[in-house]
Amino acid sequence: AQSVAQPEDQVNVAEGNPLTVKCTYSVSGNPYLFWYVQYPNRGLQFLLKYITGDNLVKGSYGFEAEFNKSQTSFHLKKPSALVSDSALYFCAVRDSGGYQKVTFGTGTKLQVIP
Amino acid sequence: DTAVSQTPKYLVTQMGNDKSIKCEQNLGHDTMYWYKQDSKKFLKIMFSYNNKELIINETVPNRFSPKSPDKAHLNLHINSLELGDSAVYFCASSHHPDRAREQFFGPGTRLTVL
Repeated sequence: AQSVAQPEDQVNVAEGNPLTVKCTYSVSGNPYLFWYVQYPNRGLQFLLKYITGDNLVKGSYGFEAEFNKSQTSFHLKKPSALVSDSALYFCAVRDSGGYQKVTFGTGTKLQVIP
Repeated sequence: DTAVSQTPKYLVTQMGNDKSIKCEQNLGHDTMYWYKQDSKKFLKIMFSYNNKELIINETVPNRFSPKSPDKAHLNLHINSLELGDSAVYFCASSHHPDRAREQFFGPGTRLTVL
């Protein structure tokens, strides 16, 4: 069975500071990993994904994430937070073997303080 | 142009009623999904169709019945609505899941059962 954990319900960061939103995963094979963002009263929007290759993945709006196989983590990062980054962030995982559903984490609310 | 659209956006109804939510995507994707997001923002997959064929059917009450008339449409019919069905329902689409493509989400339908 596959699973994903987002250990922080909420992350607060001052505008201009770097931000990190944590994600760890568990799959039986190799993982496909995703980050999505949800703004209030909106659907989820794709930010970035890791399938294979370079462990540092760059995505939309200046976000990036680092795949760490030994720590089974895929933390989302941004060098300088904007107030407009305040939203709910979901990590998601699926096993690369065959067809599997995508499992979403419980979400982390990011609050960027002006 | 809207990529994934859902109707209605809001649905308020009485317990015991039957209701439908419609979803359409104009992205040319093979696969469509229904997700339920509860009041704590947890996101759970309910169903997935690939080229009109049901490929994922999670543990969902039989009162929920998806229908895919063609690969651009996936509707969700709910019989005998219960209070616990109150949630936001998201439709999503993607290319074939074997290709680890990201999902595109609709704006959601907020269902309130009174």
